[in-house]
This record gives sequence, structure tokens and C-alpha cells, in this order.
Amino acid sequence: DVKVTQSSRYLVKRTGEKVFLECVQDMDHENMFWYRQDPGLGLRLIYFSYDVKMKEKGDIPEGYSVSREKKERFSLILESASTSQTSMYLCASRPLGGGPEYQPQHFGDGTRLSIL
Amino acid sequence: KNEVEQSPQNLTAQEGEFITINCSYSVGISALHWLQQHPGGGIVSLFMLSSGKKKHGRLIATINIQEKHSSLHITASHPRDSAVYICAVRFASVTDKLIFGTGTRLQVFP
Repeated sequence: DVKVTQSSRYLVKRTGEKVFLECVQDMDHENMFWYRQDPGLGLRLIYFSYDVKMKEKGDIPEGYSVSREKKERFSLILESASTSQTSMYLCASRPLGGGPEYQPQHFGDGTRLSIL
Repeated sequence: KNEVEQSPQNLTAQEGEFITINCSYSVGISALHWLQQHPGGGIVSLFMLSSGKKKHGRLIATINIQEKHSSLHITASHPRDSAVYICAVRFASVTDKLIFGTGTRLQVFP
């Protein structure tokens, strides 16, 4: 079974801090994703990566950066945390492949981040 | 306006009832996903479909491509079905991006 592990379930940080959210998957998936989930807005894509050291902006990348130095690990970085970044953050991964080979994303359990 | 609309936003039911959750989208898609999110946050994929109907246990998902509409049905609902159900669509086969609905919160009471 695919396992996507996020380093923390709950995290409390202060405004202006640099915050790291870590995600590790154990199935050698090429594609990894970071989302945030807010009430009434659903999941929104922040960044995704389809290979080591490759990254693509999603719909709401402002205030965030990412790092993918190893295939299994995808980190989300809040350069200078703000209260507007208080949210649930979800990581996901899936293998490369489209058409009939397409497989759905596997999600981690989420990190509920509070910025005070 | 969200490109993916779900209804209802909230749903309560008695154990044993038949449940229907609806999802509409605005343009042509390559696939539609139904996801389940339990309290605590973890999301699991229930179905991925691009036409017709799929069934898994008490869950049935249908899609009508012409009407741009999908439904998720739960037969003989149970309190353990209580969760948020999320519809997501992929608009083109060359992109990995999913567009998500805002979810339907289902509570099933004994």
C-alpha cells in the first residue's frame, strides 16, 4: 500500500518564521503535490513536481517555495509565515503515466498549520 | 464561480438511507474523481471515471459526459460513512492538475 507521510499533524508557528513542511512517499512516485485546504474553497494546488529538482507553480504559489532534492521527499517552505497561511496542508503523490495508465493521487493525512 | 460545483454542502441521514451527492462541472474533462476525507484529514480516492458507472461495495459513481454531471450514491448508509466527499476533475489528459469541489459533509446517524 502506498504511504505518503507528512512530518507533523499539527504545527503552531509565529508570524515571520520560516516554516518547513515535509512530505515523504515510499512508492517511487515521480509526481508530488502540495495543496492547501480552506473551508468553502476546497483544495487548491500550491506547487507540484514531476521529477527531482523540477517544480511547477500551481494556482496559489505566492508566499511559498518548494524543494525536491530526492525523489521520495517534497518539502513546502513558507519563507516568512503570515496569519493568512493558517490552513490545512496536504501532500499527494502519484506515478508518472497518463491515458489508460493514469493512477489517482495518494494523499497524506495533512498538517494543520496555525500561524499566530 | 467555482469550475466544479457540489451539492448539497451538508447532508444528514439516518442509518440505512440511500444517499446521493452531486457534482457538476463547466467544461469538458478527461476524468472525474470522487474522494473521501474522514475527520482528521486523510483523503482517499474512491473512484476515477471518465464514462458510465463504477461500483465498489455500497458505493456507486455515475457520470454523464453530455450533461457534465456526476453522482455518488451510497446504499444502506452507515455511521462509518460519515465524512466529507469531494469531487475533483481533470480538464485535459496532458495535465496532472485536479480542480476540486468544496466538498459535501455527510453525517449518518444510528
